[in-house]
Amino acid sequence: GENVEQHPSTLSVQEGDSAVIKCTYSDSASNYFPWYKQELGKRPQLIIDIRSNVGEKKDQRIAVTLNKTAKHFSLHITETQPEDSAVYFCAASPTTGNQFYFGTGTSLTVIP
Amino acid sequence: NAGVMQNPRHLVRRRGQEARLRCSPMKGHSHVYWYRQLPEEGLKFMVYLQKENIIDESGMPKERFSAEFPKEGPSILRIQQVVRGDSAAYFCASSGPGYGYTFGSGTRLTVV
Repeated sequence: GENVEQHPSTLSVQEGDSAVIKCTYSDSASNYFPWYKQELGKRPQLIIDIRSNVGEKKDQRIAVTLNKTAKHFSLHITETQPEDSAVYFCAASPTTGNQFYFGTGTSLTVIP
Repeated sequence: NAGVMQNPRHLVRRRGQEARLRCSPMKGHSHVYWYRQLPEEGLKFMVYLQKENIIDESGMPKERFSAEFPKEGPSILRIQQVVRGDSAAYFCASSGPGYGYTFGSGTRLTVV
């Protein structure tokens, strides 16, 4: 089955700096890669996703890149703000309607 | 659209009792997934169900845990004879046509 690894496990940045979280996956059949943000005590919420036919996707301060050859994808947050502090999870899925394989999470702290 | 509804939000059970966790998927969604999240850990897949069918239960412990998604009514995750190690947040997610999960708010199970 799919194995998703995520790094780093914790990340602290100064407000206004950029944050980068990286994930690798093992199953070349995976073609959908969502990112979830989970604030303390709350549900994971989808913040951005990318499909395997796209190399990069951007939504305001958040961007995701995908390298299918190397089987890795990354989340980039620019101009970080304290409200970006949360745990971020990457995931990979071989197809819609199937289970997602999640990374172990990155706890991001943005220092004001 | 009420989103994915989970209840109860908090559940306290004594060791040896049964825990029943309920999940109503988003309207139009026919796929339900259950995940367990231990404190400060990632999301671990448990089971994937469609109406009246278990599609993938590879993440479900072999004993004491069961899940169903009947033709009518919510999906139920049932834990028999709970032990302290079952204390965790249990998240349900649903998906439908297209990509992406929507998570419920979770049920926080505490075994005392």
